[in-house]
Amino acid sequence: AQSVTQLDSQVPVFEEAPVELRCNYSSSVSVYLFWYVQYPNQGLQLLLKYLSGSTLVKGINGFEAEFNKSQTSFHLRKPSVHISDTAEYFCAVSDLDAGGTSYGKLTFGQGTILTVHP
Amino acid sequence: NAGVTQTPKFQVLKTGQSMTLQCAQDMNHNSMYWYRQDPGMGLRLIYYSASEGTTDKGEVPNGYNVSRLNKREFSLRLESAAPSQTSVYFCASTVETGPNYGYTFGSGTRLTVV
Repeated sequence: AQSVTQLDSQVPVFEEAPVELRCNYSSSVSVYLFWYVQYPNQGLQLLLKYLSGSTLVKGINGFEAEFNKSQTSFHLRKPSVHISDTAEYFCAVSDLDAGGTSYGKLTFGQGTILTVHP
Repeated sequence: NAGVTQTPKFQVLKTGQSMTLQCAQDMNHNSMYWYRQDPGMGLRLIYYSASEGTTDKGEVPNGYNVSRLNKREFSLRLESAAPSQTSVYFCASTVETGPNYGYTFGSGTRLTVV
């Protein structure tokens, strides 16, 4: 992918409210798509991924994302957030070759800090 | 526990000093990567290794060297540290294809260069 843009650098939300974290990418080829979460002072943990098949992907902790090829987007959603969801979220993309195999390298967005208030 | 192990977790260097960041994975992955994370910039690829014996530059390789010692280990070396290399460094590995494709990250090395 040439670039990955996370449209919001910070998203504040109240507990039990729904949330959407937006991700757009630019690529001239087919892609794999990922969302990772990073809790303070920790490494990155895979939330969910789209490799093929259904464009609606469900992940851990009640998160889901929808791949929209025509809009080159992969927005992350959760219908009701908890305090424990406070973290930084990263969208990432891997280009595929003509045979549908990943080149291996992930391009990351700049990150979105989700802060859940009581 | 299976995963990616990075050492050290924290390091403070003086400008001009050298050091090596170590990374090892026990998942039998061929592909390994080094990224740096800076506020507001996400993660940027420094170097990667698609298989034992091969290494390639990523987006920000200047000032770094790498060694793929064997299939398990992939080290990152700073020959002459600069304040601009203050960052959090992450190592990752993955299978190349299939339903299990996706990075497993280490817990990171927080490096400060003064």
